[in-house]
Amino acid sequence: QVQLVESGGGVVQPGRSLSLSCATSGFTFTTYAMHWVRQAPGKGLEWVAIISDDGSNKFYGDSVKGRFTISRDNSQNTVYLEMTNLRPEDTAVYYCAKDHRDSTSHGIDYWGQGTLVTVSS
Amino acid sequence: QPALTQPPSASASLGASVTLTCTLTSDHSHYKVDWYQQRPGKGPRFVMRVGPGGIVGSKGDGIPDRFSVLGSGPNRYLTIKNIQEDDESDYYCGADHGRGGNFVLVFGGGTKVTVL
Repeated sequence: QVQLVESGGGVVQPGRSLSLSCATSGFTFTTYAMHWVRQAPGKGLEWVAIISDDGSNKFYGDSVKGRFTISRDNSQNTVYLEMTNLRPEDTAVYYCAKDHRDSTSHGIDYWGQGTLVTVSS
Repeated sequence: QPALTQPPSASASLGASVTLTCTLTSDHSHYKVDWYQQRPGKGPRFVMRVGPGGIVGSKGDGIPDRFSVLGSGPNRYLTIKNIQEDDESDYYCGADHGRGGNFVLVFGGGTKVTVL
């Protein structure tokens, strides 16, 4: 079955950096785009980033553009999120998610369990 | 890009039915949306995709037949029949928008479903 396991969350000071990883299994990783989505405490879902199946295309939400970088290693079936210049408002549970694509739309069909990032001095 | 509007809460008595609504902005009324269930303290779970003509593709893993969808104009509906305690969750809708070399995935604010 599809498994997505995030790691790397923790407490970090404002302005510092943190890297998240997501190890995947149970599907052909190289044929799917991957997403990161976050959820601040008590709030709704916010899309963060997407990377195409071959890593050639990347798009970001406005609130993280220029500070976060999504990448992937298709030899390791792993997707990453490098977060720099972190702000208190980046505090959230970060979910790794598998893309669900049909002829005209993208979405998400599998989610990880999430990893908590807390930005605080 | 589309905006998705959901009422913040809904409730139904055990065994009854409830219908959740996700409303697209009028310029995007032809878009498909995905429904997600998030149980307390858990990650989201894909329910199913719905377009103007109804369900698109297959339901998510383990989603019971009690869950169904409908599309009408800018509205995308998720109906839960014979609601169970286990269905008490937050439900989100989401839609993508890829235009002009850009891409964004947007979510509605979520509807908290309470089983009475």
